[in-house]
Amino acid sequence: DSGVTQTPKHLITATGQRVTLRCSPRSGDLSVYWYQQSLDQGLQFLIHYYNGEERAKGNILERFSAQQFPDLHSELNLSSLELGDSALYFCASSVSGGAYEQYFGPGTRLTVT
Amino acid sequence: AQKITQTQPGMFVQEKEAVTLDCTYDTSDPSYGLFWYKQPSSGEMIFLIYQGSYDQQNATEGRYSLNFQKARKSANLVISASQLGDSAMYFCAMEGAGSYQLTFGKGTKLSVIP
Repeated sequence: DSGVTQTPKHLITATGQRVTLRCSPRSGDLSVYWYQQSLDQGLQFLIHYYNGEERAKGNILERFSAQQFPDLHSELNLSSLELGDSALYFCASSVSGGAYEQYFGPGTRLTVT
Repeated sequence: AQKITQTQPGMFVQEKEAVTLDCTYDTSDPSYGLFWYKQPSSGEMIFLIYQGSYDQQNATEGRYSLNFQKARKSANLVISASQLGDSAMYFCAMEGAGSYQLTFGKGTKLSVIP
């Protein structure tokens, strides 16, 4: 158990809908990262937040947005969902920055029908 | 831009044998980190081993070792004495200097045969 929690574990929704994925980092970790794992694109970095501020953006679609709250939990919002958004979404956390310290959550499996 | 290439989609190894999973990378950063992660069928990402670009010695963690050849831009994972529980997807990843984000390869599916 990495100490990073993600909810829900599974999510099934229809095209055009909006969903929110939640991540709670390890206690004391200030950084949260979101990654998407899909069959065709593999594992891709989406976005990084540090202590509430956006630090870096990767291959994140405009239909997707994220934020990190004062209690350091983070939410990834996915809107106007398409079939191709079906994927496993991981959250990772670290104390400050540095991939060496990143601990991954169990992931949220999103299925868009 | 950084790129990780894993050329072996799938590998088989006999239990108790050693296996090498290949990883080559491309980056213009003078400083970077290289990682291997294991993803069992349950889906979680498990950190295995890390190698910094300036580390003089190859990293080792228990049965895992990283064969780092900087001039060839390769960072192969060696698993010694394979166990049935080693059957999983293995991902090579890289972090560029100060980027704090991981770039992953496509992965290699390792199957350990009893």
